[in-house]
Amino acid sequence: GDSVTQMEGPVTLSEEAFLTINCTYTATGYPSLFWYVQYPGEGLQLLLKATKADDKGSNKGFEATYRKETTSFHLEKGSVQVSDSAVYFCALTSARQLTFGSGTQLTVLP
Amino acid sequence: NAGVTQTPKFQVLKTGQSMTLQCAQDMNHEYMSWYRQDPGMGLRLIHYSVGAGITDQGEVPNGYNVSRSTTEDFPLRLLSAAPSQTSVYFCASRDTGRGNTGELFFGEGSRLTVL
Repeated sequence: GDSVTQMEGPVTLSEEAFLTINCTYTATGYPSLFWYVQYPGEGLQLLLKATKADDKGSNKGFEATYRKETTSFHLEKGSVQVSDSAVYFCALTSARQLTFGSGTQLTVLP
Repeated sequence: NAGVTQTPKFQVLKTGQSMTLQCAQDMNHEYMSWYRQDPGMGLRLIHYSVGAGITDQGEVPNGYNVSRSTTEDFPLRLLSAAPSQTSVYFCASRDTGRGNTGELFFGEGSRLTVL
């Protein structure tokens, strides 16, 4: 079945540091790929998405590129802020269901 | 738009009690689902529905029932709560029309503790 493997956390960075959270997937067909973010005490919200190979999703300074050859969708941001502290989930959708990774806790220190 | 609304936000139950978590959406989404979130395990799908009158099991359905009598509502029932059901529960919905990308819209979550 479909699966998503993402970098284990927690990740702690200083403000303005570069962020990478790795995500790889296994799926049949051509899934859409997502990054969701969960701020403390809240539900998940979509951060960015890519629906086909080589697409780049971007939002709020975050980027991720759909790499079919390496089955990856790594999340990057050039300069993190304290307000980026949250849990980040990589996910894919195919057929009827959305499959999530286990989440990566990010803490950004001032 | 209110989006996806879940109630209650917090609930404490004793082992063996029953309860229903409510979920409503106002986006006319055909697809609705329930997830549970546990530390280190991400989100696991409990049940889902692709339209009124249609439900199906997800990854962890045992101990939970659902029904879908309207497009808007998708309640989750715990018939006899167990401590293993202590978790945070999320309801989510999405569009299934032509051209949709599968993006899920989540409620704010319901934190359930079973003593």
